[in-house]
Amino acid sequence: GQNIDQPTEMTATEGAIVQINCTYQTSGFNGLFWYQQHAGEAPTFLSYNVLDGLEEKGRFSSFLSRSKGYSYLLLKELQMKDSASYLCAVMDSNYQLIWGAGTKLIIKP
Amino acid sequence: IAGITQAPTSQILAAGRRMTLRCTQDMRHNAMYWYRQDLGLGLRLIHYSNTAGTTGKGEVPDGYSVSRANTDDFPLTLASAVPSQTSVYFCASSDSWTGSYNEQFFGPGTRLTVL
Repeated sequence: GQNIDQPTEMTATEGAIVQINCTYQTSGFNGLFWYQQHAGEAPTFLSYNVLDGLEEKGRFSSFLSRSKGYSYLLLKELQMKDSASYLCAVMDSNYQLIWGAGTKLIIKP
Repeated sequence: IAGITQAPTSQILAAGRRMTLRCTQDMRHNAMYWYRQDLGLGLRLIHYSNTAGTTGKGEVPDGYSVSRANTDDFPLTLASAVPSQTSVYFCASSDSWTGSYNEQFFGPGTRLTVL
């Protein structure tokens, strides 16, 4: 079966750095997405990786290793507004997104 | 309209009733999707449409039906609601159904409770 694993919850301090990991086992791979979802709101797109390596976008970076079935989202200079759930999703061989359950990130002052 | 809209925002429904959740996008996206989101689970695909006039089944299609008569609208119908269909429903759209153009834009969601 297809499976996406991410930690359920993480806590970090304002101004610090946090890394949210995602491991996956899917039938085929056509890219990995990270989305942010604030409580009670819709998911919004953060990043897309299809090749190995690091993609940097401001305070957020996303890394992919296809051989290891592994990705991480790195958030720098954490702000209170970064408190949200972070969803990892993999596009399988049928171009359908398989979603992880999400990691709830709690930022403390 | 800006982006993707859903109606109603929330609904309480008696079991056995028929219900249609509405979804409209104004981005001229080709692909549209319906997901349900339940606590502790990832988003699960119910049905999708790669282009107007075509639809397909996702991971959890039983008890749901969709139509795609035009580019903008993608309604989801529950023929006879059951309590296990209590969930938050998200509609999404993307320019294409492949590659990076598959970045999906989500509507605000419909919170449905079936009693």
